[in-house]
Amino acid sequence: DAGVIQSPRHEVTEMGQEVTLRCKPISGHNSLFWYRQTMMRGLELLIYFNNNVPIDDSGMPEDRFSAKMPNASFSTLKIQPSEPRDSAVYFCASSLSGLEKLFFGSGTQLSVL
Amino acid sequence: SQQGEEDPQALSIQEGENATMNCSYKTSINNLQWYRQNSGRGLVHLILIRSNEREKHSGRLRVTLDTSKKSSSLLITASRAADTASYFCATDPSGTYKYIFGTGTRLKVLA
Repeated sequence: DAGVIQSPRHEVTEMGQEVTLRCKPISGHNSLFWYRQTMMRGLELLIYFNNNVPIDDSGMPEDRFSAKMPNASFSTLKIQPSEPRDSAVYFCASSLSGLEKLFFGSGTQLSVL
Repeated sequence: SQQGEEDPQALSIQEGENATMNCSYKTSINNLQWYRQNSGRGLVHLILIRSNEREKHSGRLRVTLDTSKKSSSLLITASRAADTASYFCATDPSGTYKYIFGTGTRLKVLA
């Protein structure tokens, strides 16, 4: 079991550029979560999917953020255009169902200059 | 908004001592989980306690849940330097099927 795989591990970009973060959940898991972690705001739930369908995106901060899950083994989080305040660590997590333990990826450290 | 808040925010103890962290939350829940995060890494699940359970053990971990007070505690016995990490509680506000994390407790175990 390879665990939840996120890429890239680090991303440095300039303000205004498009950023795409990728996540491969654990095979067989049907729930997927995107979180953002900053010192100021802690861990924030951005969006979660169940069976590839977005269930709750109320945590997505702005229209600049979008997330997709085209199939059970892949999800993306896109920021367009990026801003310095988007700098954070973005985590993807998956679970077997919405009520069980979450398995986290290693995260993507995003720096927007 | 944060569903849970951990207390204390930071804790420093000597190796071999016990460490207790508390979590308070706001709404009814289906279950509560505790996670550990080492610096620069992802979160790792430690233990899950369901709303109809009051206490659960796993190795050196002991978790209690008081739904009437909307609070939980995590006890780590005989702490080790390797336990140095941040600890978070996560709750699923009933009916939402999503996990909200608390603010975390930074634990430092001195060798």
